[in-house]
Amino acid sequence: QVQLVESGGGVVQPGRSLRLSCAASGFTFSTYGMHWVRQAPGKGLEWVSVVWSDGIHKYYADSVKGRFTISRDNSKNTVNLQMNSLRGEDTAVYYCARGLPTAGSDYWGQGTLVTVSS
Amino acid sequence: QSALTQPASVSGSPGQSITISCTGTRSDVGGYNYVSWYQQHPGKAPKLMIYDVSNRPSGVSNRFSGSKSGNTASLTISGLQAEDEADYYCSSYTSSSTSVFGTGTKVTVL
Repeated sequence: QVQLVESGGGVVQPGRSLRLSCAASGFTFSTYGMHWVRQAPGKGLEWVSVVWSDGIHKYYADSVKGRFTISRDNSKNTVNLQMNSLRGEDTAVYYCARGLPTAGSDYWGQGTLVTVSS
Repeated sequence: QSALTQPASVSGSPGQSITISCTGTRSDVGGYNYVSWYQQHPGKAPKLMIYDVSNRPSGVSNRFSGSKSGNTASLTISGLQAEDEADYYCSSYTSSSTSVFGTGTKVTVL
């Protein structure tokens, strides 16, 4: 069965960096795009980034462009999110999700909490 | 990348039908048949309910249906049940090759 397990969350000071990882299993990882979606405490879902199956095409929300970098390793079935220059408004649960061939996501991880605070 | 607009809350009695709207622009909802809908219970990850405007993933009840007209997509829940009480989010592909979520709708079963 499809499984997505995020890791790497924690408490970090403003301006510092953090790297999230998502380990995928139960499907042919190299043929799917992968998304990161976040949800601030008590707020709605916010799309963050996507990396296509080729690992070359990458897109970002305006709110994180230039600060976050998405990458994938098809040999290890992992997708990562490098988050630099973190701000308080980046505090959220970060979900990894498998992309549908068209758009949207059909499987989601359980999420990892990132708290940006001094 | 402005969020798609959804009503903050919708309610209905058991057995009734409710509809949640999701309004965007020609650059997202109106430009592509790539609208998806998600159900989220408190403390849980979102669950895909509808994709590509009106397609249901395997295992999702046929009480859930989706449609689109112009820049507005809709999710209809028929035969409302207590377990349907949750937050619902729409999402669309955009002309920038990104995605955007709606503001979210809290569904209450009276």
